[in-house]
Order: sequence, then structure tokens, then C-alpha cells
Amino acid sequence: GQNIDQPTEMTATEGAIVQINCTYQTSGFNGLFWYQQHAGEAPTFLSYNVLDGLEEKGRFSSFLSRSKGYSYLLLKELQMKDSASYLCAVMNQAGTALIFGKGTTLSVSS
Amino acid sequence: KAGVTQTPRYLIKTRGQQVTLSCSPISGHRSVSWYQQTPGQGLQFLFEYFSETQRNKGNFPGRFSGRQFSNSRSEMNVSTLELGDSALYLCASSLSGTASNYGYTFGSGTRLTVV
Repeated sequence: GQNIDQPTEMTATEGAIVQINCTYQTSGFNGLFWYQQHAGEAPTFLSYNVLDGLEEKGRFSSFLSRSKGYSYLLLKELQMKDSASYLCAVMNQAGTALIFGKGTTLSVSS
Repeated sequence: KAGVTQTPRYLIKTRGQQVTLSCSPISGHRSVSWYQQTPGQGLQFLFEYFSETQRNKGNFPGRFSGRQFSNSRSEMNVSTLELGDSALYLCASSLSGTASNYGYTFGSGTRLTVV
């Protein structure tokens, strides 16, 4: 079966660091994506990991451990505009579909 | 460059009717995927097209169908609408559809309400 788990909700304050975890059990794996989705808007691409390790992109970093079926998204120097839903998604083996977790709603307060 | 365009943005239909949603991918993108987003289930994969061929289909009933045209534009159709089909339908495009550093670009979606 296909299963991707991430926390439903998280809260943090401006300027802080938050880590959003994602665990997955899928029948195939061809990379892991993180997307950000503000309410009423389209998901936007944040990161892609296919090899183990950390990928850093500005305030956002993403980590992958394929042996553990685990990823996290790290957001530094949080800003109010980072309040959004963060979606973890695994690409299937054929590379033709994304399997999404249900998303983590992050609320950033001042 | 223009992004992924989905029309219409909002739609209200009655149970039993059918509906057609449209998606125009980014120019040059040949892969188009469709997803259904609901509060309870999150984003669920419907189907993916590449060069007018359906390469993959998710676990949805046969009432959900789609197609892709030679200009890469895609449509999805839902027949005999049910209340549970109320959702945000998202279209995503990519150059080839396979995993890459660039991911998929999503459209803003069509919000379908079935009454």
C-alpha cells in the first residue's frame, strides 16, 4: 500500500525554526517533493530530494533518508507569510504520479 | 511566461449532471496530471497524460475520465456527479512528467460544488 504521514498542524513564532516531518511507505520511489500551499491558492514547488542528504535553498532545507522512509522540511527565520499548508509527496516508480500526504498546516504568530 | 491555466475557476452543478474541466499547461510542457483535493483526503492523483496518451490512472471510478489534445491542453470529465465529487480539481504540468528538480507546476484549480 501507499502511506505518507505528516503532522496535521504545527504552530511557531516569527523568527523561529520549525521542522516538518514526513514518513512514507510506498511501493516505489522516484523522489520526494515538498510543496507549499496558501489557502485558496495553487501548491508551489519548494524542494525535490532523490538522494539521501540535505538540500538547502535559502531559508528552506529538505532532508531525505531513503532507508528510513523519512524526510523533513526545515524552515528558518520564520515569517508570517510562511503560514500555509506544507505538502509532502512521493513520486511513483514510473515517474508519472505524485502521492501526497494530507499536508501540515503551519501557523506562524508574532 | 504564462503559468498553468484552468477554467472555469468555480462551478456549481447538480447531482447527476456531468462536467468538463479544462487545463492549459505551460508552453512546451507535454505532461499534464490531474488531482482532486478535499479537506478529508488531501490531494489524490486522478490521471496523467503525456503526448495524448494516458500513462497512469489513480483509483477513481470510471465516471472520471480525461483526454489530452495535440497541443497538450487537457480536459477531464466527470459524469453522473455525486455530492462527494465536490472538491478542488488541480491540474499540474511538467516538461516530461518524470521526476526532476523542477517539479510540477500547478494551476489554481477549479472549485466544483455539487448540490
